[in-house]
Amino acid sequence: EAQVTQNPRYLITVTGKKLTVTCSQNMNHEYMSWYRQDPGLGLRQIYYSMNVEVTDKGDVPEGYKVSRKEKRNFPLILESPSPNQTSLYFCASSFWASGLIAPSGANVLTFGAGSRLTVL
Amino acid sequence: QKEVEQDPGPLSVPEGAIVSLNCTYSNSAFQYFMWYRQYSRKGPELLMYTYSSGNKEDGRFTAQVDKSSKYISLFIRDSQPSDSATYLCAMSRGGGADGLTFGKGTHLIIQP
Repeated sequence: EAQVTQNPRYLITVTGKKLTVTCSQNMNHEYMSWYRQDPGLGLRQIYYSMNVEVTDKGDVPEGYKVSRKEKRNFPLILESPSPNQTSLYFCASSFWASGLIAPSGANVLTFGAGSRLTVL
Repeated sequence: QKEVEQDPGPLSVPEGAIVSLNCTYSNSAFQYFMWYRQYSRKGPELLMYTYSSGNKEDGRFTAQVDKSSKYISLFIRDSQPSDSATYLCAMSRGGGADGLTFGKGTHLIIQP
């Protein structure tokens, strides 16, 4: 089954304790992205990656790191989590590739099921 | 002014009704318009997408884009309880490598 898999799905941690949320896709997608979803603010992009070893900041990158060493994986790293990073996180991927137009003409995203993070 | 405005609802309608969901936007550079559906405790899933102005129909769903008014709509005909979800509009300028801009979502409830 084509999917984006995130782990963990739920996590409660404390301020300052480094954590990593993993994301893996099995669709051979070039493009991967992280979003956070907060009540009243909607979905906002944190980081994205157009290909292996190519990453770029989204709208709200502060306090996060990412890496793209393999095409299928795109982990989100919180080096020193703070309470304002309590949120619902989504990883997403799409066919879109740098320099090419996706078949649909649009960057249509496939989302994971989400990871609910609470930082105390 | 926020880039994308969407009424959060909740919007509650009886089963079988026609539902109209809407978003307005301010950035005239947006060219691709999408509607995602998000069930509780799930990730958003693509429902429909359109390019530029016009209509697109898929079963009970119709998406409309009016770029001159910066207004997009999603219509659901013969609504079913299984349509109860949050509906997110999303837009992008080009291929969207720099990401989609989402509305905050409208929570829709279809009453049996």
